[in-house]
Amino acid sequence: AQTVTQSQPEMSVQEAETVTLSCTYDTSESDYYLFWYKQPPSRQMILVIRQEAYKQQNATENRFSVNFQKAAKSFSLKISDSQLGDAAMYFCAYRSASFGNEKLTFGTGTRLTIIP
Amino acid sequence: EAQVTQNPRYLITVTGKKLTVTCSQNMNHEYMSWYRQDPGLGLRQIYYSMNVEVTDKGDVPEGYKVSRKEKRNFPLILESPSPNQTSLYFCASSLFTGGDSPLHFGNGTRLTVT
Repeated sequence: AQTVTQSQPEMSVQEAETVTLSCTYDTSESDYYLFWYKQPPSRQMILVIRQEAYKQQNATENRFSVNFQKAAKSFSLKISDSQLGDAAMYFCAYRSASFGNEKLTFGTGTRLTIIP
Repeated sequence: EAQVTQNPRYLITVTGKKLTVTCSQNMNHEYMSWYRQDPGLGLRQIYYSMNVEVTDKGDVPEGYKVSRKEKRNFPLILESPSPNQTSLYFCASSLFTGGDSPLHFGNGTRLTVT
């Protein structure tokens, strides 16, 4: 079974600075997807960024980028120019590319605080 | 607007009183699923459905039931709720399975069982 580990329960960053959230995972599969979700106080689950394991290039979405290290099974999220609206719980998640259950396996989350 | 709608948003009940949390999606999605979120545990899958009349257990199915009689609806049923089912519940859907189809989440239902 796949597992996802987020070792930083809480992080804080000064507004306009850069912060990196860590995520490691364990799997025996070669093809899969990795995700970062943001959960603000409204509880909504918002997809931040997605990475396909077969792609070597790291995904980027505006101020959000990932450092995907397949051999090391590491998938960190970098937030540049942090804004107050980035304050939220961030979840790393794994999904197999095999046909069948589209289950996401989540990490335990990192709560990010933005300091004005 | 394309969305997954859960109701109610908040629910307080007592042990043993049957309840249903509804979930509906308007995107003609094949796949639907339920998750529960607990502090320090992240989100865990309860049940999923790959199509109408096809449902299967996720990682934490004990104490829950689901049904998929129509494509758009996937209710979560707690026949005899217990305090350990106090949690935040999410319904999610995606267009199809086995591909790169993003999962869309509802806004969550906060359930308290006393």
